Amino acid sequence: QLQLQESGPGLVKPSETLSLTCSVSGGSLSDSYYYWGWIRQPPGQGLEWIGSMSYSGSASYNPSLKSRVTMSVDTSKNQVSLKLSSVTAADTAVYYCARQGRYTSGRDFDYWGQGTLVSVSS
Amino acid sequence: DIQMTQSPSSLSASVGDRVTITCRASQRISSYLNWYQQKPGKAPKVLIYAASSLQSGVPSRFSGSGSGTDFTLTISSLQPEDFATYYCQQSYTTLYTFGQGTKLEIK
Repeated sequence: QLQLQESGPGLVKPSETLSLTCSVSGGSLSDSYYYWGWIRQPPGQGLEWIGSMSYSGSASYNPSLKSRVTMSVDTSKNQVSLKLSSVTAADTAVYYCARQGRYTSGRDFDYWGQGTLVSVSS
Repeated sequence: DIQMTQSPSSLSASVGDRVTITCRASQRISSYLNWYQQKPGKAPKVLIYAASSLQSGVPSRFSGSGSGTDFTLTISSLQPEDFATYYCQQSYTTLYTFGQGTKLEIK
């Protein structure tokens, strides 16, 4: 059974860089049939797609965040990472990593991590 | 960006009711529409993909329909475990966008 687990600091200071890691178990990050994505959800609000990346490093980002976002993959560790720079309070959210079908008819996010809350505060 | 608009934003219903949630896209998205269920404190779970395909393991009381710009999620007979928030999501363009959510509450 595929499992995804987000990890990283729960508190980040304004203007600093948020760094999260998603560890994948029960499956391979190198599976070419999937993308690996990040989605966030501010407290009490809806879902916002941040970006998606293939195992080879090909990435797509939300244009509203693109200037601040970097995603990377480490296939040897089966991990996907997210960095978001110059954070403000508006970046406070639960951050989810998720697997996305690359060639499926829905290109849906079919497996999700449990999410990790990141608060931006001094 | 493709805007996804769900209606209603909230809904009260009883166990056994038939419920329909609507999602409208700001432009045509073919059948690239997915539905998710989210319970408090939990990650979203995909219910329906490609507008009408039932995800493996999801009860058959859930169904989806539509194409182009207008889509619906129907729950044929509400069960206690179905009270949650539902989101639609378009995957027609790489800038994936979600609806604002529909909170389904117990009447």
